[in-house]
Amino acid sequence: EVQLVESGGGLVQPGRSLRLSCTASGFTFGDYAMSWVRQAPGKGLEWVGFIRSKAYGGTTEYAASVKGRFTISRDDSKSIAYLQMNSLKTEDTAVYYCTRDSTKTRFWGQGTLVTVSS
Amino acid sequence: DIQMTQSPSSLSASVGDRVTITCRASQGISNSLAWYQQKPGKAPKLLLYAASRLESGVPSRFSGSGSGTDYTLTISSLQPEDFATYYCQQYYSTPTFGQGTRLEIK
Repeated sequence: EVQLVESGGGLVQPGRSLRLSCTASGFTFGDYAMSWVRQAPGKGLEWVGFIRSKAYGGTTEYAASVKGRFTISRDDSKSIAYLQMNSLKTEDTAVYYCTRDSTKTRFWGQGTLVTVSS
Repeated sequence: DIQMTQSPSSLSASVGDRVTITCRASQGISNSLAWYQQKPGKAPKLLLYAASRLESGVPSRFSGSGSGTDYTLTISSLQPEDFATYYCQQYYSTPTFGQGTRLEIK
């Protein structure tokens, strides 16, 4: 059974940094791209970015709203994907979901809430 | 980026009704379109992909169609568990979602 578990969310002040983790199980982690999707309170889904598998270069893509501030990385030996978030803004407040794949995605984590507030 | 315009933003319907939700892409996406259902406090659930392919385990009352820039999700006979928010997503290029359609009980 595929499982994705996010962790690392919490309350952070504007301008500070936070790193989210996504621990995966139930599949060969290194074979798949991993994505992050967020949802602000009461709002719709916003794709944040993804990291390709090493077979496809391990490269990353980001939404314009986070490019230059957020970095996605992966540790295939631990089956963990990371979302490093720097220079956080109040508008980054959202539930952050980890998902498998970079296109349609059938596997989602339960989400972790990030609140950016002073 | 490809923009996805979803309509309507909200919809009231009754059990047994047939409902249709549309999604228009700002450029052609070659059927690289998925539909998701989301219930409050839960992660989205994949319903269809490649515009019309039903995800395993999803009831056949859900169907999708379209081509080019215009796509539709149809629920043939609404069931109580179908009242939720629906999103389209294109994955022809870096993914983008529609703004969502909230389906409410009339």
